Amino acid sequence: DADVTQTPRNRITKTGKRIMLECSQTKGHDRMYWYRQDPGLGLRLIYYSFDVKDINKGEISDGYSVSRQAQAKFSLSLESAIPNQTALYFCATSADDRGRYFGPGTRLTVL
Amino acid sequence: QKEVEQDPGPLSVPEGAIVSLNCTYSNSAFQYFMWYRQYSRKGPELLMYTYSSGNKEDGRFTAQVDKSSKYISLFIRDSQPSDSATYLCALVEGTGANNLFFGTGTRLTVIP
Repeated sequence: DADVTQTPRNRITKTGKRIMLECSQTKGHDRMYWYRQDPGLGLRLIYYSFDVKDINKGEISDGYSVSRQAQAKFSLSLESAIPNQTALYFCATSADDRGRYFGPGTRLTVL
Repeated sequence: QKEVEQDPGPLSVPEGAIVSLNCTYSNSAFQYFMWYRQYSRKGPELLMYTYSSGNKEDGRFTAQVDKSSKYISLFIRDSQPSDSATYLCALVEGTGANNLFFGTGTRLTVIP
């Protein structure tokens, strides 16, 4: 089984809808992250959490919110989706400041 | 100016060729240097990790860091079609979650 799983893998939604992307991990890491990937812009950090009671904004948090339900679960919500939030979204975990272990990604399209 | 610059390619090489992938950076505070490989429709996976200048070898892969020139490279020997992927460099500055900076990735295709 994969160490980091994401659901759904693909999602098409309409402008203004609220959607949630979910992430689960079995690596036992305390640190979890949400990134988005856009062509030409690379990976950008949206939110991160160092433990269940810790939530921090990343580089591009506007329009997003997160919830850390347990050490192994970290979800990302788009409160009111807009077309420029169309992107690949990756959840990641880490044990320290260095490497990240990424999930398989969610391809989100906002029409 | 971006923290990390990486040529997006695409780069096409014949099977068996030596591949050189490169990133440049401007911030001398970067301490750790990584290469990730990302197959189509997959998440990035950590390929190589180094924290010092010089070379680090792992099978057909060699990571090279030149801190004086602010230049890092990934060499792939005897390239295989299975190496076809996007390669991202990633640099770590100090501590904290916002300390990891990714290049935009170079798309590599190895032609059989």
